[in-house]
Amino acid sequence: GNSVTQMEGPVTLSEEAFLTINCTYTATGYPSLFWYVQYPGEGLQLLLKATKADDKGSNKGFEATYRKETTSFHLEKGSVQVSDSAVYFCALSGTGNEKLTFGTGTRLTIIP
Amino acid sequence: GAGVSQSPRYKVAKRGQDVALRCDPISGHVSLFWYQQALGQGPEFLTYFQNEAQLDKSGLPSDRFFAERPEGSVSTLKIQRTQQEDSAVYLCASSLGRIQYFGPGTRLTVL
Repeated sequence: GNSVTQMEGPVTLSEEAFLTINCTYTATGYPSLFWYVQYPGEGLQLLLKATKADDKGSNKGFEATYRKETTSFHLEKGSVQVSDSAVYFCALSGTGNEKLTFGTGTRLTIIP
Repeated sequence: GAGVSQSPRYKVAKRGQDVALRCDPISGHVSLFWYQQALGQGPEFLTYFQNEAQLDKSGLPSDRFFAERPEGSVSTLKIQRTQQEDSAVYLCASSLGRIQYFGPGTRLTVL
């Protein structure tokens, strides 16, 4: 079946540091890949997505590239802010199937 | 409303009680999903509706869990004879296309 393996947290960085959160997946066919974010006290929100190999999703300074050869979708941001503190979830939906399979989440804390 | 809403936001039940959790999806969204999120974990799929048809219920953990969406809009997740292991946040999402929009969740605590 489908699965997502996410970098374990928690991750603590200083403001303006470079961020990478690793995500790899196992799936048959051509899944769509997503990063969702959960800010404190709020619900899950879509951060970015990519639907085919070599696509790059981007939003709010975050980027992730769909790498089929390495089955990865790592999340990156060049300069993090305190407001980026949240829990980040990598997820996929399989070919012809909309249900999402999530990773365990990575808690990110940015200190001023 | 503008987003997916869920009620109640918090529910405390005694072991053995029945509970019903409600989800109001975004108007016009055909697909509706339920997920269960245990503390410190990612959401896990429970069940999926397309309009009123329940197309996938493979994630329901036992026959104590039942979901319905009789008119293709509002959905209810019912848990009978709750157990402590049912304690979790229950998330509802609706979609039109590939992107799912999540509600705030219902936090269920079974004592």
